[in-house]
Amino acid sequence: NAGVMQNPRHLVRRRGQEARLRCSPMKGHSHVYWYRQLPEEGLKFMVYLQKENIIDESGMPKERFSAEFPKEGPSILRIQQVVRGDSAAYFCASSPPMGTQNQPQHFGDGTRLSIL
Amino acid sequence: DAKTTQPNSMESNEEEPVHLPCNHSTISGTDYIHWYRQLPSQGPEYVIHGLTSNVNNRMASLAIAEDRKSSTLILHRATLRDAAVYYCILSWAGSYQLTFGKGTKLSVIP
Repeated sequence: NAGVMQNPRHLVRRRGQEARLRCSPMKGHSHVYWYRQLPEEGLKFMVYLQKENIIDESGMPKERFSAEFPKEGPSILRIQQVVRGDSAAYFCASSPPMGTQNQPQHFGDGTRLSIL
Repeated sequence: DAKTTQPNSMESNEEEPVHLPCNHSTISGTDYIHWYRQLPSQGPEYVIHGLTSNVNNRMASLAIAEDRKSSTLILHRATLRDAAVYYCILSWAGSYQLTFGKGTKLSVIP
């Protein structure tokens, strides 16, 4: 499968624990985006990364959330000390460099995070 | 950001064409019109995008009004697999943030 791979598909955590969500982009894609979808809402942009660089994290909460895309391995979205309000579906997308042609983004099937 | 307006829901009979409208009266000259769809329990799937001219691909056609203030996504023969929420999104050239609204929930009747 050459698509965007996210794991785990479902993740259950208790309040105060840490959640780590992984995303492997499509082959040949060097740009990764994370979005969050709360119940009954549209997707909201969180962060945009290239290899070893965070380009734009304007959509990410200032506390407890961090993201990385190391030189080797998948991109990781990390949520520390989770709270009930973090329950959502988290989607990762990837693309080749945007350039001026407005490249489409290819999405994974998401990680559904549930906080007990 | 320029906004889009879509009907909340639409219905179509299986194997008939579907025309999904989108209004974007404040579109700027550099805004591309993108369509994505999201099937239940899946991530969004890119459908088609265009700037000024009509576009066709294997999934759908995109018809863009001459003044670019509206567009229509055309599914030529709806199948049950096309039942999804369809999002019309404006994105300027070089932009990377996709802003998803509520979209149009398409139901396909067998």
